[in-house]
Amino acid sequence: RKEVEQDPGPFNVPEGATVAFNCTYSNSASQSFFWYRQDCRKEPKLLMSVYSSGNEDGRFTAQLNRASQYISLLIRDSKLSDSATYLCVVIRPGSYIPTFGRGTSLIVHP
Amino acid sequence: DGGITQSPKYLFRKEGQNVTLSCEQNLNHDAMYWYRQDPGQGLRLIYYSQIVNDFQKGDIAEGYSVSREKKESFPLTVTSAQKNPTAFYLCASSAPDRGPTEAFFGQGTRLTVV
Repeated sequence: RKEVEQDPGPFNVPEGATVAFNCTYSNSASQSFFWYRQDCRKEPKLLMSVYSSGNEDGRFTAQLNRASQYISLLIRDSKLSDSATYLCVVIRPGSYIPTFGRGTSLIVHP
Repeated sequence: DGGITQSPKYLFRKEGQNVTLSCEQNLNHDAMYWYRQDPGQGLRLIYYSQIVNDFQKGDIAEGYSVSREKKESFPLTVTSAQKNPTAFYLCASSAPDRGPTEAFFGQGTRLTVV
């Protein structure tokens, strides 16, 4: 089983839709999680942290489910500008190395 | 402005050549990382360094070498032993002394074998 797994998509949604991505992780000792956004041919940029209690930032909500070992990202009221690849990142316990999923592609169309 | 600078942005390598990718950070981060990204793929760890004068192999270190002589700098050499070097290379840094924090990225170097 891979350390971090994501459905690569693409998720094709109309503007205004709500879309959710999940990411599963294999190491139950993992404590720190992030979502990054990557635009085509650019570097990844931090979108938001994922806290145990959940985290909301405007239209974006991140959740952690420790029992099932997954994190999620919910995007409400999708905009054309949300089209990108969303990378799930799990920090390896002990070494603190950021470990990436392969990303989920989101395409928002008019 | 604090950040990570990678150079060059684009690099072309002939078969059999070694090339070196530069990565400099002024964030005062102890840890630095090199990742490789292929089209449609996630980031795979090549090498990492958590302190000056020390570095460790990541998941795909074969055909690559690094050095960490200064805290600010972590250059990556792609050697002729790397059989498929065409990829997008990303350098990152983080501050593990502050706990499991996020990583910050440079703008990447796109390497093409010609």
